[in-house]
Amino acid sequence: QKEVEQDPGPLSVPEGAIVSLNCTYSNSAFQYFMWYRQYSRKGPELLMYTYSSGNKEDGRFTAQVDKSSKYISLFIRDSQPSDSATYLCAMSSGTSYGKLTFGQGTILTVHP
Amino acid sequence: KAGVTQTPRYLIKTRGQQVTLSCSPISGHRSVSWYQQTPGQGLQFLFEYFSETQRNKGNFPGRFSGRQFSNSRSEMNVSTLELGDSALYLCASSSLAGGNTGELFFGEGSRLTVL
Repeated sequence: QKEVEQDPGPLSVPEGAIVSLNCTYSNSAFQYFMWYRQYSRKGPELLMYTYSSGNKEDGRFTAQVDKSSKYISLFIRDSQPSDSATYLCAMSSGTSYGKLTFGQGTILTVHP
Repeated sequence: KAGVTQTPRYLIKTRGQQVTLSCSPISGHRSVSWYQQTPGQGLQFLFEYFSETQRNKGNFPGRFSGRQFSNSRSEMNVSTLELGDSALYLCASSSLAGGNTGELFFGEGSRLTVL
């Protein structure tokens, strides 16, 4: 079983829809939780970062972490075609700056 | 400010050969990490370097190796290539400022095809 599980989708939604992306994990040592976005033929870029449990909002994006359930979510409001990409959850225990454990990634398509 | 630069972007090798990939981090970044991305396994951590020292290594065979130079540039090498090594190899750098923010800046990757 993988340390981080993420449904690869693909997920297809109409423009303006609310998108919910989720990951579950098994390693209790994870303290830092991130969402990366990867466009085709590009490297991942950091979208959201959360430390421990709680919510964080940035524009149309909201990240939620529930450490008691080992579950993290990313919500995208008013989705746009430009949001079409692969979304990767990532986690770290904090013992290493460069070592992240990634989910499989969810392919999202927002159609006009 | 220039981003993370990886070379070559695309390469084709045959089984048994070896390959060296290069990564130039963002200016001022001293931490460089390498990841392998495949459709089946996703992004998997290979190793991390800081100030020319390997700090962490992922669960990959010894055929995978790397190094970092005094100017923070890094290279990774894969010897005796196997078909399963076909993947996108991503390099990421970090400034380490402000503690562990998880903000890794990725390059566009080197896509390796092994025939």
